[in-house]
Amino acid sequence: GDSVTQMEGPVTLSEEAFLTINCTYTATGYPSLFWYVQYPGEGLQLLLKATKADDKGSNKGFEATYRKETTSFHLEKGSVQVSDSAVYFCALSLTGNQFYFGTGTSLTVIP
Amino acid sequence: EAEVAQSPRYKITEKSQAVAFWCDPISGHATLYWYRQILGQGPELLVQFQDESVVDDSQLPKDRFSAERLKGVDSTLKIQPAELGDSAMYLCASSLRQGAGTEAFFGQGTRLTVV
Repeated sequence: GDSVTQMEGPVTLSEEAFLTINCTYTATGYPSLFWYVQYPGEGLQLLLKATKADDKGSNKGFEATYRKETTSFHLEKGSVQVSDSAVYFCALSLTGNQFYFGTGTSLTVIP
Repeated sequence: EAEVAQSPRYKITEKSQAVAFWCDPISGHATLYWYRQILGQGPELLVQFQDESVVDDSQLPKDRFSAERLKGVDSTLKIQPAELGDSAMYLCASSLRQGAGTEAFFGQGTRLTVV
């Protein structure tokens, strides 16, 4: 079935370090791919998205490229800040617009 | 900025009691979702509405859960009777239309604790 697999956490980084959170997917069709972020006690907020192969989504210094050949959508940021501490979810959606979420990766950035 | 409104934010209930959650999506959003998020896991879809119609409730435990969106606007999710395993965050989301690539906007959620 359709699913998303995310890198296990938690991840702890020092401020200004480089971040990569891996995400791979399995889908029967051609999905759109998303990264959502969840701060403590809050709902999910869209961070970025890509709707077709080779698209790059970007927002707030975060980037992810839709790689059809490797079925991946890895999240990257060149220099993380303390305020980036949150849980990050990779997700896919197909026609019909049901979203499938990964299990989430907790990121803690220390000063 | 328009938001998805959910209430209550927190709910503590005893097992075997009934509990209900309310969601008001962003105005004009035809698609509404209810998700359950167990601590440490990703959200899992319970039910999806397109306007007032259910388009997917395959993962909704229908023996105890019910959901409605009578006028195609706000929605209520009910659990009766609640069980200890229902303790989780219940998230409502909405999107402008169906179709891959359309982002979902999430509310802040209702955290349910069943004791």
